[in-house]
Amino acid sequence: GEDVEQSLFLSVREGDSSVINCTYTDSSSTYLYWYKQEPGAGLQLLTYIFSNMDMKQDQRLTVLLNKKDKHLSLRIADTQTGDSAIYFCAVLFYNQGGKLIFGQGTELSVKP
Amino acid sequence: DTAVSQTPKYLVTQMGNDKSIKCEQNLGHDTMYWYKQDSKKFLKIMFSYNNKELIINETVPNRFSPKSPDKAHLNLHINSLELGDSAVYFCASSQDTAREQYFGPGTRLTVT
Repeated sequence: GEDVEQSLFLSVREGDSSVINCTYTDSSSTYLYWYKQEPGAGLQLLTYIFSNMDMKQDQRLTVLLNKKDKHLSLRIADTQTGDSAIYFCAVLFYNQGGKLIFGQGTELSVKP
Repeated sequence: DTAVSQTPKYLVTQMGNDKSIKCEQNLGHDTMYWYKQDSKKFLKIMFSYNNKELIINETVPNRFSPKSPDKAHLNLHINSLELGDSAVYFCASSQDTAREQYFGPGTRLTVT
């Protein structure tokens, strides 16, 4: 079956790095995504990685994919208070009509 | 320039009523989706349309009926609203079923 799991909360100090983790069960996925949701807002696509890649870096964001362990992580360098939000991991099954399966979301709290 | 827009942003209505939520995208994408986010922030796909054709219908009650008049629009009509329908409904679009999805700002539906 398709299942995506994330821890629910993460608290860090401003300036530290944040690492948000995600595990998934189905290996037939193609793309894996990270979305950010601020209070009362929609989902903002942050970054994504194709399933045949191990790492992708985009400014302060680094995505690591361990296909063997079905583990995805998002590292935010120099975390700022504006990074406080809920971060969702999502796995795309393109052969199922573009079905995105989301994790429960990790609420990141950045303390000054 | 709004990429994916939804109306209304808030919708408060009574049980038993019928309501519609509209979605439009100006990205030239072929695929559109509806997702439901519950009170615990869990996101689940409801429907997807590709080129106006329904391709995903995820065990949603038949009180929910999506309609796609053209590739740029996907509306959601809900009959006989129930308390459990209260949620935030997100529309999304993608170039095709294998590409990243861009989300609208959401419609918060409250059924009293």
